[in-house]
Amino acid sequence: EAGVAQSPRYKIIEKRQSVAFWCNPISGHATLYWYQQILGQGPKLLIQFQNNGVVDDSQLPKDRFSAERLKGVDSTLKIQPAKLEDSAVYLCASRSPRLQATGELFFGEGSRLTVL
Amino acid sequence: DAKTTQPPSMDCAEGRAANLPCNHSTISGNEYVYWYRQIHSQGPQYIIHGLKNNETNEMASLIITEDRKSSTLILPHATLRDTAVYYCIVRVVGAGGTSYGKLTFGQGTILTVHP
Repeated sequence: EAGVAQSPRYKIIEKRQSVAFWCNPISGHATLYWYQQILGQGPKLLIQFQNNGVVDDSQLPKDRFSAERLKGVDSTLKIQPAKLEDSAVYLCASRSPRLQATGELFFGEGSRLTVL
Repeated sequence: DAKTTQPPSMDCAEGRAANLPCNHSTISGNEYVYWYRQIHSQGPQYIIHGLKNNETNEMASLIITEDRKSSTLILPHATLRDTAVYYCIVRVVGAGGTSYGKLTFGQGTILTVHP
C-alpha cells in the first residue's frame, strides 16, 4: 500500500513570503495530522482533521498558519507570512479508522522549510 | 497525556540487544505506552504499544513494569539501521474527543548502533 505522500520535500523562502505544503494520506485514512518538527525537537501537533472537519487546532498559530482538507482526502498547510522561527520540517500523518484501537499513525517523509 | 522521561542518548554494539528505558510515573490507568522511532530525514515510524502486559512483535519487545510507572523497549539484535531517535509516548486510546489519536512527542533517545 502506498504511504503518505508529501510535497515539496524542500523549500527555501525569505521571511514574509508565503509557502504551501501538500499531503496525500493513505487511501481510506479518515484522520489526518500536521506536525511541526524544529531541529533537535520532537514533532509538535499543529492540527488534526477527521474527514474534512477540524478536530484539534489548538496549537496552530492561526495568525499565519492555515490548513484545509477539502473533500476529506488531500490536505494543504499554508504559512503566510513566514517568520524565521517557522524553519522546520512539516510532517503529515494519517490514521486508519480500522486501527482506532491501536492508534498507529503513518507519517510521510516531511517537507523541510528554511526561512531566510 | 502523561509526561515521559528518556535518556537523551544511548550507544549499542551491532548484534547486541538495545534496551531503551522510559519513565512515565504519572501514567493513568487508561493510558497506553507507545514507541515510535525516527530515522534521519524520515518521518516517525510506529514500533509497538502496550497497556500493562509485555508485548512483542517483529520489530521489538516492550516490557512494562507491574506498577506501569516505567517501561523498556528492547531491540533484541540491533543493526546499524536501528540508529535513530526513539520516542516513548503515553496516551489515552479510545477516549474520543479532541485528544483521541493525538501523539505528544518528547525529545526522545538518540540510539547509536556501532559496528
